[in-house]
Amino acid sequence: DTAVSQTPKYLVTQMGNDKSIKCEQNLGHDTMYWYKQDSKKFLKIMFSYNNKELIINETVPNRFSPKSPDKAHLNLHINSLELGDSAVYFCASSQDAGGGSGAFFGQGTRLTVV
Amino acid sequence: QKEVEQNSGPLSVPEGAIASLNCTYSDRGSQSFFWYRQYSGKSPELIMSIYSNGDKEDGRFTAQLNKASQYVSLLIRDSQPSDSATYLCAVYLSGGYNKLIFGAGTRLAVHP
Repeated sequence: DTAVSQTPKYLVTQMGNDKSIKCEQNLGHDTMYWYKQDSKKFLKIMFSYNNKELIINETVPNRFSPKSPDKAHLNLHINSLELGDSAVYFCASSQDAGGGSGAFFGQGTRLTVV
Repeated sequence: QKEVEQNSGPLSVPEGAIASLNCTYSDRGSQSFFWYRQYSGKSPELIMSIYSNGDKEDGRFTAQLNKASQYVSLLIRDSQPSDSATYLCAVYLSGGYNKLIFGAGTRLAVHP
């Protein structure tokens, strides 16, 4: 009974393809996030949703589109993948809107674009 | 100026010693501070949170916060090789931003 689970764990794809990553949390949290961790291990927020509504949209290319069908799920779709998109993508959730009580992370999706 | 700064390390300490990890932040209005531990190839794991000035202890971990100096630290007593990981400092930016910002992390290596 993993608290925050995301699939797939690994994703290898060619440039130009479209791919999706799915995330689900069973913690009853209201807010979910997507973070990107690059090769230097820097963890940067991309999006956050509070109860299905987008509340944070950092400077992320339009090729990235999050979708939250309900407050327990947050998916990330990426169009026209580029080499620079290679990174580990983490889904996270928190009780409050923004993470003021801390955020809990999924196991990550390692995306490799070749 | 980066919002959350940490020394990248590696910080190398012998087994049984105290490891001291430091973090500074730029937003004076920040109210919530966190330490995460991340093993290689794994996800960040929340290990400590601190909200008011002073020390907070949990087992071998002590978090220290000084809001006047905009400084937060993590002490690990009786360090074990299993503590070897990257430690990420995270600060909650309020005041309309409402997001958790991470430092780049400090790599800790505990050698037997």
